[in-house]
Amino acid sequence: NAGVTQTPKFRVLKTGQSMTLLCAQDMNHEYMYWYRQDPGMGLRLIHYSVGEGTTAKGEVPDGYNVSRLKKQNFLLGLESAAPSQTSVYFCASSRQGNEQFFGPGTRLTVL
Amino acid sequence: EDQVTQSPEALRLQEGESSSLNCSYTVSGLRGLFWYRQDPGKGPEFLFTLYSAGEEKEKERLKATLTKKESFLHITAPKPEDSATYLCAVQAPSGNTPLVFGKGTRLSVIA
Repeated sequence: NAGVTQTPKFRVLKTGQSMTLLCAQDMNHEYMYWYRQDPGMGLRLIHYSVGEGTTAKGEVPDGYNVSRLKKQNFLLGLESAAPSQTSVYFCASSRQGNEQFFGPGTRLTVL
Repeated sequence: EDQVTQSPEALRLQEGESSSLNCSYTVSGLRGLFWYRQDPGKGPEFLFTLYSAGEEKEKERLKATLTKKESFLHITAPKPEDSATYLCAVQAPSGNTPLVFGKGTRLSVIA
């Protein structure tokens, strides 16, 4: 099993550009999550999903959108990137909403 | 508001020098407390889940314990490969409540 994978691993954007981060899991987990991690701020939840076709806002949802069209995939979109969105993004999945298993992360820089 | 505080922020140990990391939490009821290890440039790796006061879990040189207000991660005779950031997270009991993460303790073990 590959576990949780994230695409891409690195990306540089200019202010105002858009992009989509892809998270895929092969563990048949119901729950999926998107976090951002910044120095001194810890892991902060952006959006999450409790099942296929569902999404919910986390602690810091502004400027991001998500979709969960298939159970194994969770997409994070930035419609108009801002320098404040420079961060490391982690996806995670969970079978029952408790123990979460994380992907390797995407390092995003917005210039 | 559920909160998680980890201390110290950073800890430097000599190889073989045992110590403990602290995670104190305020949550209305506790569904679970989770410990993760994060190496630089990687996603968090799940270590333990604790569900009730008095519970203990062990893995190699690590032992996690839980009281009604805090958890400790005891590291016995650490080795340089134990160097990492250790994250604590809690989950409230209601519904699909996401985890709330602390900011972590950065552990360095010097040979």
